[in-house]
Amino acid sequence: GAVVSQHPSRVICKSGTSVKIECRSLDFQATTMFWYRQFPKQSLMLMATSNEGSKATYEQGVEKDKFLINHASLTLSTLTVTSAHPEDSSFYICSLQGGGPETQYFGPGTRLLVL
Amino acid sequence: GENVEQHPSTLSVQEGDSAVIKCTYSDSASNYFPWYKQELGKGPQLIIDIRSNVGEKKDQRIAVTLNKTAKHFSLHITETQPEDSAVYFCAASDPQGGSEKLVFGKGTKLTVNP
Repeated sequence: GAVVSQHPSRVICKSGTSVKIECRSLDFQATTMFWYRQFPKQSLMLMATSNEGSKATYEQGVEKDKFLINHASLTLSTLTVTSAHPEDSSFYICSLQGGGPETQYFGPGTRLLVL
Repeated sequence: GENVEQHPSTLSVQEGDSAVIKCTYSDSASNYFPWYKQELGKGPQLIIDIRSNVGEKKDQRIAVTLNKTAKHFSLHITETQPEDSAVYFCAASDPQGGSEKLVFGKGTKLTVNP
């Protein structure tokens, strides 16, 4: 399957600051990437679909002005959590579509802790 | 939209026994059903998937079965080992979602006791 990396693996920040998370495809050109959020002991919740060269599509209830997504190349998508608050603390995971229709490969995740 | 139910939420087995996790889906137009294994603090790893044109697929100790009529699919792990302990998620493609999105079950925490 495709190899996906995320950076950083974990980040601690103060309330009100912004945090950028990178998602890279190491061996595959991904036109579509997905961003998920996962709270402890819960399932994956899709936040948005990131399409290379176009605006991201956000799920209902996800604030597009708070979670900025940029997919400028076929190997990189970034998620910026703006003005982070403690309730934004979560595990953020990206995935890319590859190997066949609907098949998704996930990155290792980024643990965000907002103090 | 698509809805996926997964059972049980927790499963404990003895090493060497089999484990079965079941999922149901609501939209008969769904045609892709992957299973993911997630270890603590890591991202989900695709372990097996099945498409609606087949009823069963095997990969060594892991198998998935699909019953389109009943709209349910199951993961079977034989000869379980302690390293199989993890949270397993089933998913189904969302025909209404566009962009080939997946809808996930709530997960099953599998514990394999030595």
